Amino acid sequence: KAGVTQTPRYLIKTRGQQVTLSCSPISGHRSVSWYQQTPGQGLQFLFEYFSETQRNKGNFPGRFSGRQFSNSRSEMNVSTLELGDSALYLCASSQDRTNTEAFFGQGTRLTVV
Amino acid sequence: KQEVTQIPAALSVPEGENLVLNCSFTDSAIYNLQWFRQDPGKGLTSLLLIQSSQREQTSGRLNASLDKSSGRSTLYIAASQPGDSATYLCAVSSRTGNQFYFGTGTSLTVIP
Repeated sequence: KAGVTQTPRYLIKTRGQQVTLSCSPISGHRSVSWYQQTPGQGLQFLFEYFSETQRNKGNFPGRFSGRQFSNSRSEMNVSTLELGDSALYLCASSQDRTNTEAFFGQGTRLTVV
Repeated sequence: KQEVTQIPAALSVPEGENLVLNCSFTDSAIYNLQWFRQDPGKGLTSLLLIQSSQREQTSGRLNASLDKSSGRSTLYIAASQPGDSATYLCAVSSRTGNQFYFGTGTSLTVIP
């Protein structure tokens, strides 16, 4: 059974650009959550999607957005990149919203220069 | 807002030693608690999930306990091995869905 797949693994972008990250959850899982991990702030929740709808949102500016497709794959987009957006972005897959076990992908390492 | 704390921040032990990692959280109204390990530059690997109605879970050399009333969980690792060296993260999920609050982790080094 394939795990959670995140693409790309690494990205280097310039300030002011935008970026799109992709996450394919485990087959049959319908909930996808996104997290940002930095050395200073640790792991912080960005948002959760279930059945193509955003269900929860963390305390991040509107430059961070996401969506989920009918096959449960999810994308997150960051516009007008800032140096502080450099981080490891992690996607978590869960079967549904009754708080079953979360499985994480390997992450996308975003560097903003 | 839920706050999760992990103590100690770093731990170094000789191979073969048994050890305990601690996690505390401020709001006892949680759904689940999950322990993860993270190797440098990698994603998170799920170790154990404790549902809110459970008191403990075991997997191999790992045992995790949960005391919701006191807002505490412990992860016990028996007979530690160098391959156990990693950062261990504790996360509690909210009642409103799959949103986890993470601790800052315990960095474990097992010395051969």
